[in-house]
Amino acid sequence: DGGITQSPKYLFRKEGQNVTLSCEQNLNHDAMYWYRQDPGQGLRLIYYSQIVNDFQKGDIAEGYSVSREKKESFPLTVTSAQKNPTAFYLCASSDRDGNNSPLHFGNGTRLTVT
Amino acid sequence: GQNIDQPTEMTATEGAIVQINCTYQTSGFNGLFWYQQHAGEAPTFLSYNVLDGLEEKGRFSSFLSRSKGYSYLLLKELQMKDSASYLCAVRDGDYKLSFGAGTTVTVRA
Repeated sequence: DGGITQSPKYLFRKEGQNVTLSCEQNLNHDAMYWYRQDPGQGLRLIYYSQIVNDFQKGDIAEGYSVSREKKESFPLTVTSAQKNPTAFYLCASSDRDGNNSPLHFGNGTRLTVT
Repeated sequence: GQNIDQPTEMTATEGAIVQINCTYQTSGFNGLFWYQQHAGEAPTFLSYNVLDGLEEKGRFSSFLSRSKGYSYLLLKELQMKDSASYLCAVRDGDYKLSFGAGTTVTVRA
């Protein structure tokens, strides 16, 4: 079955450490996205990529980095520069934006930094 | 950036109808989406509107007025499993998709 896989589901890190969240899709989608969700707030866009080897900053990119070396993979690194990294992180993908296709989401990674 | 507003919470009785409103202000417009999200899970796609009017999908309908920057999601014949958060999302002129904070709907027996 096609879908988006995020791993791990739960992740614990010590403050000051970088951590990379995995996102893989086998839907053959061109566009991929990373969102962060905090209690009482909507999904906030961190980074998005519309094509391999290209990505753009979203609304809250500071303290994060991404790469898009392969169509099916869009890993997110949460660096030590991110002030409040504890959150629920959602990866999504869609067909090329011009088609206005909906986003398909992975099941998320809950990151806790202490 | 975008400004997307929707009510924080709504409560309704099983079998009733609930309407969730969403207003938005964006630079350009390329469609409005509604998603359902159960606690701790990923959002799932419900509906999409890009032209004015009503889109019906079974018990769920979504309406859009682009001139008013307004949409609503209508849930009919409410069931207990409809208790969830409903997210309004707007795609702007640069095709960036931004979400509202979500409306938590509680269905009571």
